[in-house]
Amino acid sequence: GESVGLHLPTLSVQEGDNSIINCAYSNSASDYFIWYKQESGKGPQFIIDIRSNMDKRQGQRVTVLLNKTVKHLSLQIAATQPGDSAVYFCAEKRKGAQKLVFGQGTRLTINP
Amino acid sequence: EAGVAQSPRYKIIEKRQSVAFWCNPISGHATLYWYQQILGQGPKLLIQFQNNGVVDDSQLPKDRFSAERLKGVDSTLKIQPAKLEDSAVYLCASSRGTEAFFGQGTRLTVV
Repeated sequence: GESVGLHLPTLSVQEGDNSIINCAYSNSASDYFIWYKQESGKGPQFIIDIRSNMDKRQGQRVTVLLNKTVKHLSLQIAATQPGDSAVYFCAEKRKGAQKLVFGQGTRLTINP
Repeated sequence: EAGVAQSPRYKIIEKRQSVAFWCNPISGHATLYWYQQILGQGPKLLIQFQNNGVVDDSQLPKDRFSAERLKGVDSTLKIQPAKLEDSAVYLCASSRGTEAFFGQGTRLTVV
């Protein structure tokens, strides 16, 4: 069935290194993608989004890359800090729909 | 801008009891979502409102779950009767267009 999934459930990186979190999606009709960060005990927090007519978008310390050919999305976090420790979810919206579908999440742990 | 407000933050009930959650979305946001997030999983959409109309409730267990948004602003989600597997965090989110903003959620424990 259609799904938004993540390649790795956990990721551990050294403080100061760059992190890359990956996400695969299967619905070619999806035209909008969002990365959310969820800290313990809190709701998901918007990080960055990208539309399907783009292949890259940059924010503050974060970059999202979209490869529509292989239906792959990635979130790059530069110079990872302890405050980046959280679970990261990718989510998709399908063209013409408001429904936001989430993947399972990747837990990012920062080692000092 | 005030965020999405949810209450209560925590709730513990016995199975077969009923429970209700309340959500106040961000002012002006026409779209309101209720998600269920089981521990270790991503949020799963239960119901989506556009103003006071239901857009999608395909994954709402309608035999026990109900939700309303009578005036197109606040919303309540009810479970009656609750089952053990309903233990989860219930997240409310609102949107004016593409980006959805989430509340802190209500953590429900059914014992």
